[in-house]
Amino acid sequence: GAVVSQHPSRVICKSGTSVKIECRSLDFQATTMFWYRQFPKKSLMLMATSNEGSKATYEQGVEKDKFLINHASLTLSTLTVTSAHPEDSSFYICSAPGHGTGGQHFGDGTRLSIL
Amino acid sequence: GENVEQHPSTLSVQEGDSAVIKCTYSDSASNYFPWYKQELGKGPQLIIDIRSNVGEKKDQRIAVTLNKTAKHFSLHITETQPEDSAVYFCAAKAQTSYDKVIFGPGTSLSVIP
Repeated sequence: GAVVSQHPSRVICKSGTSVKIECRSLDFQATTMFWYRQFPKKSLMLMATSNEGSKATYEQGVEKDKFLINHASLTLSTLTVTSAHPEDSSFYICSAPGHGTGGQHFGDGTRLSIL
Repeated sequence: GENVEQHPSTLSVQEGDSAVIKCTYSDSASNYFPWYKQELGKGPQLIIDIRSNVGEKKDQRIAVTLNKTAKHFSLHITETQPEDSAVYFCAAKAQTSYDKVIFGPGTSLSVIP
């Protein structure tokens, strides 16, 4: 079964709306989670590393004021796309490190469509 | 930083044939190499991984080989089935579980019945 739950799976909203995506680790604690963006037929692009109890670490070129990350508990990280515009439409995926194995457990992604 | 290349970008094979996907990495500090399968509209799913102290690992129809000297690693799928059709990503990661994973560009595999 899934070890990382991501919600919602699909969002369609108007330009200017802020959208929050949740990523939960099930049955294990994750002090670190990762947020990716994926364009059609492309690879996963790491946006930021979410750190429980501290500020997220953003990759170069990712606007931290645009993509707000909060990791308030050991099982939940949220990504908020603020004042979303059509160019923010994409597939957003979160992951959490495995239990010391080195692997990552991925959520099933959120398809964001901004009209 | 780490850079991962992957070939081919698309691959079509007849059901029952083998499929091979090859990757190279640039950072000699990378020591963990997972392979992910992504089906349409889903998140990536780990299918097999290998650490740098091992040259080969096999799990039923799937095997991965690693040449640390050449910084090459490959995924081998034998006796392919239509349900193997998906996008496959290789990846590389350095030391700890909390280091970020760097993905290759992906290979779209189609298994023709």
